[in-house]
Amino acid sequence: QKEVEQDPGPLSVPEGAIVSLNCTYSNSAFQYFMWYRQYSRKGPELLMYTYSSGNKEDGRFTAQVDKSSKYISLFIRDSQPSDSATYLCAMNTGNQFYFGTGTSLTVIP
Amino acid sequence: EAQVTQNPRYLITVTGKKLTVTCSQNMNHEYMSWYRQDPGLGLRQIYYSMNVEVTDKGDVPEGYKVSRKEKRNFPLILESPSPNQTSLYFCATTGGRDTQYFGPGTRLTVL
Repeated sequence: QKEVEQDPGPLSVPEGAIVSLNCTYSNSAFQYFMWYRQYSRKGPELLMYTYSSGNKEDGRFTAQVDKSSKYISLFIRDSQPSDSATYLCAMNTGNQFYFGTGTSLTVIP
Repeated sequence: EAQVTQNPRYLITVTGKKLTVTCSQNMNHEYMSWYRQDPGLGLRQIYYSMNVEVTDKGDVPEGYKVSRKEKRNFPLILESPSPNQTSLYFCATTGGRDTQYFGPGTRLTVL
């Protein structure tokens, strides 16, 4: 079983829609949870990180962690065509990072 | 401007020919790491370094070596590349949980 599971999509939504991206994980030792955005032919860029359970909001983005269910989510409100990218979740325990496979998102104008 | 540079960006080589991919950062971060990205497998950590002369294995270290002689540089060495090391490689630095930067990637093909 992989440490982190993420639905690869692809996901296609109309502009302005609310997008929900999700990951599940198996290691209860994970404490830090991150979301990255990766445009085609570019390196990932950190969008948000969350420590332990709870919600964190940054502009149109909300990250949610439910440690009891081993489930994390990223919500994008008022999605824009510029949000079209691959979104990666990642988790961290100690000094190692574990990534999901990424979900490809297309926002259609 | 925060920057992580990798060289080369593209490389085609043959099995067994030693190669080095360089990584350099200008942020004075202590933590640096290498990842490979493959379709269906996502990003997997190869090696990481907590500081100069301190390195440790990630999830997929077999066939790779690293060194950290200076804080800004963290080269990835493939002593005897094989076709299963054909991949997209990323170097990354971390200055804290909310301060992480990835390089632009190195696309390696081993024939």
